[in-house]
Amino acid sequence: GQQLNQSPQSMFIQEGEDVSMNCTSSSIFNTWLWYKQDPGEGPVLLIALYKAGELTSNGRLTAQFGITRKDSFLNISASIPSDVGIYFCAGHSGNTGKLIFGQGTTLQVKP
Amino acid sequence: DTGVSQDPRHKITKRGQNVTFRCDPISEHNRLYWYRQTLGQGPEFLTYFQNEAQLEKSRLLSDRFSAERPKGSFSTLEIQRTEQGDSAMYLCASSLERTWAVLDPMGEQFFGPGTRLTVL
Repeated sequence: GQQLNQSPQSMFIQEGEDVSMNCTSSSIFNTWLWYKQDPGEGPVLLIALYKAGELTSNGRLTAQFGITRKDSFLNISASIPSDVGIYFCAGHSGNTGKLIFGQGTTLQVKP
Repeated sequence: DTGVSQDPRHKITKRGQNVTFRCDPISEHNRLYWYRQTLGQGPEFLTYFQNEAQLEKSRLLSDRFSAERPKGSFSTLEIQRTEQGDSAMYLCASSLERTWAVLDPMGEQFFGPGTRLTVL
């Protein structure tokens, strides 16, 4: 079945630093999504990507849909303490819309 | 705020009991999804509805699990004869299918806060 490999598994950075995380898939996706999840809450959608090569920004967040359609990355610039949380990539293909999620990247920011 | 809501937020039950969770999607969203998330993992797809029709079920959804969306609005997920392995966060998401959209007609999925189930 489809699987997403997300890396790194965790990051501990200083406030103000930039962060990069990525996801790779064993198969092609039509849509890539990035979510952030706080403890005890549901995932919150950050960025959605629909076309191979697409580069999209949302404030300090930038994400790209890989040309091969098998990978995506998320960058966070100038990190702040409220960026702390777990970031998930997700993708889907076909016409069901069911999402396949990565294992998550836990981000901790030191003030 | 008219986001996705779920009830209850937490449920503690004894093994063997039945539990039922409710999800209210964003109004006018015609697609509704259920996912399960265990500690340290990403959510895993369980089932989804298009309006009131249940169109796909994961093999994770054993015979003890049943989901309904009777009027195409809210949905319920019932687990019968709960087992300790059922302990997880159960997440609901909804999206608006736009058949006219060239890119991603299934729409972006927005999640609710989840129901945390603990089976003792």
